[in-house]
Amino acid sequence: GENVEQHPSTLSVQEGDSAVIKCTYSDSASNYFPWYKQELGKRPQLIIDIRSNVGEKKDQRIAVTLNKTAKHFSLHITETQPEDSAVYFCAARNTGNQFYFGTGTSLTVIP
Amino acid sequence: DGGITQSPKYLFRKEGQNVTLSCEQNLNHDAMYWYRQDPGQGLRLIYYSQIVNDFQKGDIAEGYSVSREKKESFPLTVTSAQKNPTAFYLCASSLAPSTDTQYFGPGTRLTVL
Repeated sequence: GENVEQHPSTLSVQEGDSAVIKCTYSDSASNYFPWYKQELGKRPQLIIDIRSNVGEKKDQRIAVTLNKTAKHFSLHITETQPEDSAVYFCAARNTGNQFYFGTGTSLTVIP
Repeated sequence: DGGITQSPKYLFRKEGQNVTLSCEQNLNHDAMYWYRQDPGQGLRLIYYSQIVNDFQKGDIAEGYSVSREKKESFPLTVTSAQKNPTAFYLCASSLAPSTDTQYFGPGTRLTVL
């Protein structure tokens, strides 16, 4: 099956700085990679996603990059704000339509 | 997200008892999923269903059972065979198994006393 690893597990940045979270996956056939933001006690919310035929996608302050050869993808948040503080999860979907999640990154944006 | 609901929000169970968690969606989605979330860990797939009357085991199905008799409903039963059931349980759905976006319910926090 698929194995998704996520780093770092915790990340603290100053407000206005950038944050980068990285994930690797093992199944080269995985074809869809979403990123979720989860606030304490709440449901995960999709913030951005990328398909395997695309190398980069951007939505305002958030971007995701995918390197299929190296089997890793990254979340980039620019101009961070305190409301960006949350736990972020990456995931990979395999050809059996199952999602495998990383272990999460707790992001703290310091005002 | 408002179209997928879970109940109850908090659930307490005594050891040795079975308990059923509800998941309902009015999004007309074919695919539904159950995940378990433990502190410091990602979401782990328990069961998923790609169509009514069909479901498959995920990575941690032991001690759990599901049914999919209706398109909008995918209840999860945590049986007494599940050795460590205390966790946050999340239900999710997507339009079709191959459709990208997966929407999550608000979750049920199960505590075994």
